[in-house]
Amino acid sequence: QQPVQSPQAVILREGEDAVINCSSSKALYSVHWYRQKHGEAPVFLMILLKGGEQKGHEKISASFNEKKQQSSLYLTASQLSYSGTYFCGYHPGAGSYQLTFGKGTKLSVIP
Amino acid sequence: DAGVIQSPRHEVTEMGQEVTLRCKPISGHNSLFWYRQTMMRGLELLIYFNNNVPIDDSGMPEDRFSAKMPNASFSTLKIQPSEPRDSAVYFCASSRTTGSSGNTIYFGEGSWLTVV
Repeated sequence: QQPVQSPQAVILREGEDAVINCSSSKALYSVHWYRQKHGEAPVFLMILLKGGEQKGHEKISASFNEKKQQSSLYLTASQLSYSGTYFCGYHPGAGSYQLTFGKGTKLSVIP
Repeated sequence: DAGVIQSPRHEVTEMGQEVTLRCKPISGHNSLFWYRQTMMRGLELLIYFNNNVPIDDSGMPEDRFSAKMPNASFSTLKIQPSEPRDSAVYFCASSRTTGSSGNTIYFGEGSWLTVV
């Protein structure tokens, strides 16, 4: 079952902040975030394991609340290069290696 | 390091024809995944292999689809016969599994399939 991402799309001006949410009806072991630019492959951003750890990548950070089965991606002071579609993916459990992805959130950063 | 290599990058074929997509995973990776991406369904897992063995093929849409991994450095996804609704981008991805679920999956650039 796919995780649910919100919002589906968002438009930002350069320098603005955004939050993308990902929730699952299944227990999560880890959450992965990817960004895909148009016509390209998804590119790994970060992984969050059980424990509520917050990770960062440039001005992009994320949190994982395994009790609520939710993860959020925080984009701070957005840049034009942040435009793309963001996907969360989850592992359902230990020993399970595949990722199930949400449908994505399309982020457009405009000047 | 070379990433995941897929071929062909683009394929246009007529309905009913056989289509074979190829993938070379990153050297040293022992898990390989085939995903399909469409606007309607997003990224769907079709099948994944671990140490060349198919582990989960529950995402394969129907018998027209088959996948093989004869060795650690090569995999194919075959559609026979192809139908227009198979038009999509097919991604191959690989990872090095370490016994935990924290492994990162790396995607190839995709094979863009159009069936007319």
